Parts: sequence; structure tokens; C-alpha cells
Amino acid sequence: GAGVSQSPSNKVTEKGKDVELRCDPISGHTALYWYRQSLGQGLEFLIYFQGNSAPDKSGLPSDRFSAERTGGSVSTLTIQRTQQEDSAVYLCASSLRDKNYGYTFGSGTRLTVV
Amino acid sequence: TQLLEQSPQFLSIQEGENLTVYCNSSSVFSSLQWYRQEPGEGPVLLVTVVTGGEVKKLKRLTFQFGDARKDSSLHITAAQPGDTGLYLCAGAAIGDYKLSFGAGTTVTVRA
Repeated sequence: GAGVSQSPSNKVTEKGKDVELRCDPISGHTALYWYRQSLGQGLEFLIYFQGNSAPDKSGLPSDRFSAERTGGSVSTLTIQRTQQEDSAVYLCASSLRDKNYGYTFGSGTRLTVV
Repeated sequence: TQLLEQSPQFLSIQEGENLTVYCNSSSVFSSLQWYRQEPGEGPVLLVTVVTGGEVKKLKRLTFQFGDARKDSSLHITAAQPGDTGLYLCAGAAIGDYKLSFGAGTTVTVRA
């Protein structure tokens, strides 16, 4: 597609439920990143995929968070047993190769845990 | 603790005025980028600066990278309401492959 597509755009879930967030990057972009943005905070790095290399999961806040990237394209971020502190905007970005090429972001998924 | 510190946090000015946003760090960056984000959207890349002392101009926006590659500034001349948004600086420390973002500066330009 022309841009990075994220779905759903909004998700309201009950505390304790699992959620899946999807990211469809720009075709040909080998790097894919997930960030989390909370009100008044900067973007918090979660996970980074580059081609077929093992992902950098160093930013995942707990073992309730996981992500995968299938076929070097679509990525899914899964949050298990959601907590209220997980409420935030989850942003996905892709890049042609790496950080020096700049990121193209999706519009994000606004997650609200009630 | 933020790797990149942005100031001010909020800025409200009248149309036609000038403004400057600052991005500072104690770390050296291989490159630094500026993004603008509007409500309900993801950040959009404005510019990448890579050379210490580099100045880039994008219409009414001027970006400068510090000589030591630890800081940057964004200057907007004759601001317009369309410049309203959250401005984010981002950089990767030498040897790192992912960007760290500042907390952002919310700019409001009143008509």
C-alpha cells in the first residue's frame, strides 16, 4: 500500500482480556518498529524487526506483550491480560532499511482498557 | 529519563510570530530527525540532519544540528495556524539502530 496501515484504529477492551493490534507496512520496507505513546510522554520503543533477523524485543514492558512479523511483512502486537496502564496509542512504523532513512508511521491504534 | 530533552513543552503564539523549539542531549547522535504529529495521526518526518553544524531549510522551517551533534533546533518564521501540532525530535545514538524520541513540543498558532 501507499502508507503504513494499522488496525483497528480504536479498541476498547475490558481489563484482563487479550488484544491483537495489526500493522501492514509499506511494501519493500525491511525495518518495522512498534512504539507506544502515552499522554504527555514521548514515544516509547517496544520492538524492532529487520528482515529475517531476530527481533529486538528489549523495549517490551512485560511478558504479557509479544509481537511477530510474518513473511517479512505484516506484524501483529499481542497484549495478554490487559491492564489499565496498557492504555495508550500504539504506533507502528516502517523504514526502507534503518533509522537513517526515516520512519513512516501509521495512524496508530488507540487502546483503552476499562 | 529522556535521552532527548525538548523545550519548551508548550508554545502558543500569534500568527505571524516566529518560534524556536530546542532538542538537547548529552549523547552524540549519528543523525537527528524532526517529526510533526497532528491529533489522531502518526508523526510525519520533516527532515533528517546528519552533519554537525548542518542547517536545512524547508520553506519557513529552519533546522540546525549542533556542531557536536548533541543538539538541534527548529525555527519557524512567520508561523501560520497550519503549523499547529506536536513537534518531536528523534535520534539514534552512535551504534544504535533505533530512534529515541523526545517528549515533544506542542505548538499552537492562533489566527
